[in-house]
Amino acid sequence: GNSVTQMEGPVTLSEEAFLTINCTYTATGYPSLFWYVQYPGEGLQLLLKATKADDKGSNKGFEATYRKETTSFHLEKGSVQVSDSAVYFCALGYFGNEKLTFGTGTRLTIIP
Amino acid sequence: DTEVTQTPKHLVMGMTNKKSLKCEQHMGHRAMYWYKQKAKKPPELMFVYSYEKLSINESVPSRFSPECPNSSLLNLHLHALQPEDSALYLCASSQDPGPEGGEQYFGPGTRLTVT
Repeated sequence: GNSVTQMEGPVTLSEEAFLTINCTYTATGYPSLFWYVQYPGEGLQLLLKATKADDKGSNKGFEATYRKETTSFHLEKGSVQVSDSAVYFCALGYFGNEKLTFGTGTRLTIIP
Repeated sequence: DTEVTQTPKHLVMGMTNKKSLKCEQHMGHRAMYWYKQKAKKPPELMFVYSYEKLSINESVPSRFSPECPNSSLLNLHLHALQPEDSALYLCASSQDPGPEGGEQYFGPGTRLTVT
């Protein structure tokens, strides 16, 4: 079956540090890949997505590139802020299928 | 308006109670979802409604009963729950079913505690 593996958290960084959260997947065919973010006390928000190999999703300074050769979709940001503190979920899905497969989530804490 | 609203925000219920969770969206979305999220875990899909019809039931126990009265509303009726059902219940919607049908917009959730 399909699965998504994220790096273990929690991750704690200082403000303005460089962020990488690793995500790898196991899936057949050509899934779409997503990063969702969940701020404390809130539901999930789509952060970015990529629908085919070599696509780069980007939003709010975050980026991730769909790498089919390494089955990866790592999330990066050049300079994090305290407001980026949240839980980040990597997920995959298929066209015409409502179900998303989520990774376990990575809790990120940014300290001033 | 890109908001999904959920009521109540918090709910405490006994194992013999009957209660309902409500979800509403006014974005004209045709797919609506219920998820269950335990602490420090990802959301787990429970139900999907596509065009007001139940399209996915992820083998959820019958003590959870979904209802879609119209295209903007989604309810989750709860009866005879167990303490292990305590969780955050998230509603979401998307323009069309499936990940290519557009972004899933999530509500803030209902924090349910079963005593």
